[in-house]
This record gives sequence, C-alpha cells and structure tokens, in this order.
Amino acid sequence: AQKVTQAQTEISVVEKEDVTLDCVYETRDTTYYLFWYKQPPSGELVFLIRRNSFDEQNEISGRYSWNFQKSTSSFNFTITASQVVDSAVYFCALSSPHAGGTSYGKLTFGQGTILTVHP
Amino acid sequence: DAGVIQSPRHEVTEMGQEVTLRCKPISGHNSLFWYRQTMMRGLELLIYFNNNVPIDDSGMPEDRFSAKMPNASFSTLKIQPSEPRDSAVYFCASSFNPLTPTNEKLFFGSGTQLSVL
Repeated sequence: AQKVTQAQTEISVVEKEDVTLDCVYETRDTTYYLFWYKQPPSGELVFLIRRNSFDEQNEISGRYSWNFQKSTSSFNFTITASQVVDSAVYFCALSSPHAGGTSYGKLTFGQGTILTVHP
Repeated sequence: DAGVIQSPRHEVTEMGQEVTLRCKPISGHNSLFWYRQTMMRGLELLIYFNNNVPIDDSGMPEDRFSAKMPNASFSTLKIQPSEPRDSAVYFCASSFNPLTPTNEKLFFGSGTQLSVL
C-alpha cells in the first residue's frame, strides 16, 4: 500500500529562520511521482513541485529547496529565511501506477505540517 | 485564465437533506478529481474522471455519494441523504492527462466547506 508520513504536525519558527519539513513515503512501485502542495489560510491547494522517482537531483526555487533521497524514501522541503507569508499547511503527496487508473493525479497525501512563521 | 471553479464556497444543511456540489474544471483539462479533506482522515480521493468517464470511484464512502460529469466542463458531487459525518471541505481538481505523466499536475479549486447539522 502507498503511504506518506509527515512526522511534524506543527512547526513554529521566527521570521528569517530556516525550516525543514520532513516527508517519508512508501510504495512498491519503481516509477512514482512526489509532490509538495501548500494550503494557505485561504484554503486552496497550491502546487509547489513535482519530482519523479528517476530524478534524485535536488531542486532549488528561490527560498525553497527540496532534497529527494530514494535510499531513505524521503522528500524533504526546506524554506530558507522564512517569511510570515510562508505560514500555511504543507502537504507531501505520492502518485504511482500502483494506485491504479491512468492518471498520476490520483494522489496519496500526508497528514500535512502546519507551519507558523512569527514576525 | 480562470482556474477550477467550485460552488458553493460554503454550504450549511440539515441532516437528511440532499447536497450538490459543483465544479467547473479548467478548459482543456481532461481529468477531474474530487477530494475530501477532514481533520481525521486528511485529504482523500473520492473519485476521478478521465474524458468524462469515471475511472476510479473506490474512494466514494458509500452509496449516499454519487458523482457525475455530463460534459467536459461540469461535474457534480451529490450526497443524499447527508449526515453530520459528511462535514468536510470538498475539493475539485483538474489536470491534463496525456497518458504520460510528463506534464501532469493537479490544479485545485478553492473548495466547498460543507457543514451538516
């Protein structure tokens, strides 16, 4: 069965601190996709990144960076120099053929990490 | 460009009533998904359609739930009769699924907050 675990339920930091959100996944497929979504207080889900299982290169986008390690089945997300606007719930998600169907939009989500950045 | 549009944003109803949630996917997208978010179960997929055809409804909790997609630009999720445990945020999402995952990503609507009293 597929599973995504975000061990941190809540994280609280002060602005300008770096923060890392952990994500560990389980799947028996060799081809899969990993995602991070952000859910700000307004409620919508905003796509941040998708990474396929064959690409272990780390990625950086501005203050955001992602560390994918297949050996530990982890896909961690780091925010550098956090800002108040980063306060949100962050979800890690997994999609794979084992989930069935023809679409990689069938996602298994983690429980989410509530990030609060204080001024 | 308009994103995924869901209506209503908020719905309050009494137990036993029928509830219909609506979704307009992004034009050109051929896959549509209904997700439900609760504190207890997090985000879970209820059903998804590809080219208006239901592909996987294994996440639909019980027969009280039904979903339709009569055309490429409209989908409904109906609960009849509703129960207090159905209270949740229901998200609709769409994507372009070319049967290769290269470019597929989900675009979510703003959700419908359902409260069943």
